[in-house]
Amino acid sequence: QQQVKQSPQSLIVQKGGIPIINCAYENTAFDYFPWYQQFPGKGPALLIAIRPDVSEKKEGRFTISFNKSAKQFSLHIMDSQPGDSATYFCAARPGQFSGNTGKLIFGQGTTLQVKP
Amino acid sequence: NAGVTQTPKFQVLKTGQSMTLQCAQDMNHEYMSWYRQDPGMGLRLIHYSVGAGITDQGEVPNGYNVSRSTTEDFPLRLLSAAPSQTSVYFCASSYLTSGGQEQFFGPGTRLTVL
Repeated sequence: QQQVKQSPQSLIVQKGGIPIINCAYENTAFDYFPWYQQFPGKGPALLIAIRPDVSEKKEGRFTISFNKSAKQFSLHIMDSQPGDSATYFCAARPGQFSGNTGKLIFGQGTTLQVKP
Repeated sequence: NAGVTQTPKFQVLKTGQSMTLQCAQDMNHEYMSWYRQDPGMGLRLIHYSVGAGITDQGEVPNGYNVSRSTTEDFPLRLLSAAPSQTSVYFCASSYLTSGGQEQFFGPGTRLTVL
């Protein structure tokens, strides 16, 4: 299955809160899981990424948690700020050696609003 | 570097018209892709290319054609526009890294088909 399911569709938190966005996949051949951030009127930009042999990755206030057995991964934003208000997409790449190199499958997106 | 550029930024078409969305990158990336973004549907892959002269279909290829004659350019053609093709279109280019892949998106083209 070449699908990535993302939830929730939208999320509202207060400044300082910790929004969590979840993604699930079926294809165990996926080998790379990035998260993208998109501001209104702009193209998505890479935020943070993880490989399936790692359970957690932190970059600044952003953390990916990865559960290989459950085929789920999530994005946590620590101490969220109004400037984090954006749409977030998870994605997954079919395995590099399956002939799909360079192709990313995206989730449905989550619109995050951080209230001051 | 200009990165990934797309033209036009906005376009209105009538049903049945044809047009080409332009995409260019100056980073010498092998891989390029076209996505469409619709509310609640995320980014859906239309076509992608792993190098000059090589293209393949993504999740939603019907109604769209692509070609890749050079590394830099990857135009998307709508042969006979339909209202269902009203969307925001993003072109992206990428390269492989030791950890995975880095993909860069263009600013998008907002297309309305009447």
